[in-house]
Amino acid sequence: QKEVEQDPGPLSVPEGAIVSLNCTYSNSAFQYFMWYRQYSRKGPELLMYTYSSGNKEDGRFTAQVDKSSKYISLFIRDSQPSDSATYLCASRDFNKFYFGSGTKLNVKP
Amino acid sequence: DSGVTQTPKHLITATGQRVTLRCSPRSGDLSVYWYQQSLDQGLQFLIQYYNGEERAKGNILERFSAQQFPDLHSELNLSSLELGDSALYFCASSVGSRQSNYGYTFGSGTRLTVV
Repeated sequence: QKEVEQDPGPLSVPEGAIVSLNCTYSNSAFQYFMWYRQYSRKGPELLMYTYSSGNKEDGRFTAQVDKSSKYISLFIRDSQPSDSATYLCASRDFNKFYFGSGTKLNVKP
Repeated sequence: DSGVTQTPKHLITATGQRVTLRCSPRSGDLSVYWYQQSLDQGLQFLIQYYNGEERAKGNILERFSAQQFPDLHSELNLSSLELGDSALYFCASSVGSRQSNYGYTFGSGTRLTVV
């Protein structure tokens, strides 16, 4: 079992839709959770991060962690074509990051 | 521009060959990390160097090696290449030796194709 599992998609939504991206993780010791966005032919860029359980909001983006179910979510409100990218969730233990395989999102105009 | 520079952007080579990928970290960053991204395995951590010394090792094959030079740039050497080594190779950097709680800055990657 991989440390972080993510549905690869692709996920296609119309502009303005609410997008929900999800991951599960296996190690209950994970405390730090991140979402990266990766545009085509670019490296991943840190989008949001959270510590432990709870929600964190940044503009149209909300990151949510439920440690009881080992579930990580990213919500995008009022999605835009510029949000079209691959989204990777990640977590870490003391020494290493573990990335999901990424979900490809396409927001249609 | 993330500030992490990787060269070359693309590389096509034959099986059995050896290639070197280069990374220059962001100004002021002392740690360099190498990652491999393939369609079936996702983003896999290979190795970390801090200020010239190996600090952490991930799923790096014995055919692969890396080093970090006094000017802090790093090279990833891939030898006896196989078709399965075709992937995107990313370099990332951070200031400290311990991995930042929330991640680090990635370069744009080198796309390696082994034919």
